[in-house]
Amino acid sequence: DGGITQSPKYLFRKEGQNVTLSCEQNLNHDAMYWYRQDPGQGLRLIYYSQIVNDFQKGDIAEGYSVSREKKESFPLTVTSAQKNPTAFYLCASSDPPGGPDTQYFGPGTRLTVL
Amino acid sequence: EDKVVQSPLSLVVHEGDTVTLNCSYEVTNFRSLLWYKQEKKAPTFLFMLTSSGIEKKSGRLSSILDKKELFSILNITATQTGDSAVYLCAAGNNRKLIWGLGTSLAVNP
Repeated sequence: DGGITQSPKYLFRKEGQNVTLSCEQNLNHDAMYWYRQDPGQGLRLIYYSQIVNDFQKGDIAEGYSVSREKKESFPLTVTSAQKNPTAFYLCASSDPPGGPDTQYFGPGTRLTVL
Repeated sequence: EDKVVQSPLSLVVHEGDTVTLNCSYEVTNFRSLLWYKQEKKAPTFLFMLTSSGIEKKSGRLSSILDKKELFSILNITATQTGDSAVYLCAAGNNRKLIWGLGTSLAVNP
């Protein structure tokens, strides 16, 4: 059963703590993306990776970090430097690289910082 | 600056009505226009359009792209309460998708 999984579905953290959101895909897609969604703001791109061991900053990368050591995995770390981390985080993947084409989304992680 | 603008921002209709959602774009190195439906969770893919004037259809939903005037429309005929959602439009270049804010559609019985 092919798809994208994100875990956890809900995450609560105290202010000042780093937290890592998981994203795994078994679609054999080369490109993966992280978005943040806030009410009334649409989807904003945090980071994207078009191939293993390579990634680029999106529009709102400050306070976030990623790694792409394996094709199927693209974890996102929300660091304590992110001023307003409470949001809905979506991971997506697409194929081929070099262009977005159709992106398929995971179910999302809702992060709340207390 | 690349941008995608959707209108209206929200819409309330009765079951059975036909609706038209609009999406205009200004994107450098434009490659594709995509429509997604989002119902309180992850967006699900509806259509991808790359050529002008060719309508894509899926059941009661259809969409068309005008690359000269830089816009796309999404039509939903005979709306049902299950069509209630946010409809997102995104324009793709050779690197990423640029997203609109979405149109929130509410279909009342």
